[in-house]
Parts: sequence; structure tokens; C-alpha cells
Amino acid sequence: GIQVEQSPPDLILQEGANSTLRCNFSDSVNNLQWFHQNPWGQLINLFYIPSGTKQNGRLSATTVATERYSLLYISSSQTTDSGVYFCAGPHSGNTPLVFGKGTRLSVIA
Amino acid sequence: GAVVSQHPSWVICKSGTSVKIECRSLDFQATTMFWYRQFPKQSLMLMATSNEGSKATYEQGVEKDKFLINHASLTLSTLTVTSAHPEDSSFYICSARAQSGQPQHFGDGTRLSIL
Repeated sequence: GIQVEQSPPDLILQEGANSTLRCNFSDSVNNLQWFHQNPWGQLINLFYIPSGTKQNGRLSATTVATERYSLLYISSSQTTDSGVYFCAGPHSGNTPLVFGKGTRLSVIA
Repeated sequence: GAVVSQHPSWVICKSGTSVKIECRSLDFQATTMFWYRQFPKQSLMLMATSNEGSKATYEQGVEKDKFLINHASLTLSTLTVTSAHPEDSSFYICSARAQSGQPQHFGDGTRLSIL
């Protein structure tokens, strides 16, 4: 099956700093989703981004489907951004999401 | 839109009992629902995929007789952990998708602790 690799595995940021998280896929994906899992375990859907670039406030994401990767940008980080960020993608439209191992982000004041 | 409700949020029970977890799509019809399991500090691992009215498809290594999945309607799927044991303690998360090729939406998860 498809393999999803995320980097870095862990990241510590000073509040206000910017960061880039990366997601690589071993094969083409039909679409791609980015999630933030908060300390209570809730998965917050950040982006559904099969290709191109999207922005939502301080977050933006870019997927280059032909090169099998996606990037998540966090600008002006806040302590509430702490948690685990997952990317996930299905191999085709009717297969389930396969998750990467996540990037554990800690933003310190 | 696209709200998925999962109940209960927490379950603590004795070893040997069975536990049922419900997953509902509140504002859309889900042709497919998925069940994932997440151990501490690990990623989400797919357990099974269920299509409404059909038998679930289980991932390799997941015991179908232990994890019973029912997807009787387009808005409800249930996962029953039968004869639960401490090693079944985990965080279980359901997900629903309206149509093939559309995003998956996730419930808030159920934290299961077996004593």
C-alpha cells in the first residue's frame, strides 16, 4: 500500500516563529488532507488539498501532486498551535485515508 | 457542515465485557465509514472499512470476530469490541465519507480503557 512520510517528527518553536511541515507520498494520491490533533485527541480538518495552494488564516498548504509531496506552513505560531499534525491521502478515490506518523509540534511562549 | 458524532467519548469497563461505539454522520449521508485505532504517541491505523448495507472489510491483523462492525444505515455505523481485554485499550476514531473521492470527516474519538 501507499506509504506516507512526514518530517520533521518533532518540532519546537518559539511563539511567533514560522514553520514548514512536509509530507511525502510513495505513490500518487487521489487527494490529500492535513489534520491537527489537539491534546484531547480531536482531529481538526485543516485542508483538503489534492493540488495547488490554499490558505486559511495563519495556515497555508501546497500540494505538488506530480512530485508526490505536500507542505503545511504555519506562520506566527501560537501556543494553541501545539499538537500533532497529520497528513493523509488515499491511493484512489474509493480507498481510505492512509496517515503519516505525524509531526509533534510544541510552541513555547 | 459535515459533522460526525461519536459516542461515547470515554469508556472504562472490566475485562471480558463488550463495548459498543456509535458513529453518526449528522448532516450528510455517508456511503462509507471507516474505523481507526490509535495507540499513545502513534499514528492512526485503519481497522476496517464499511459500506452501507455490506459487510465490513477488515485490514490485515484485525480480528473481525472481535471487532464487529455494523453499517445498517447511511448515517450510522457501530463498532462493538467483544470480550474486551486490557490490550484492546486504545483510542478509537470513526470517519465518514459521503462519496468516493470526497474528503473524510472524523468523529472526536472514543477512549477505551479495559481494567
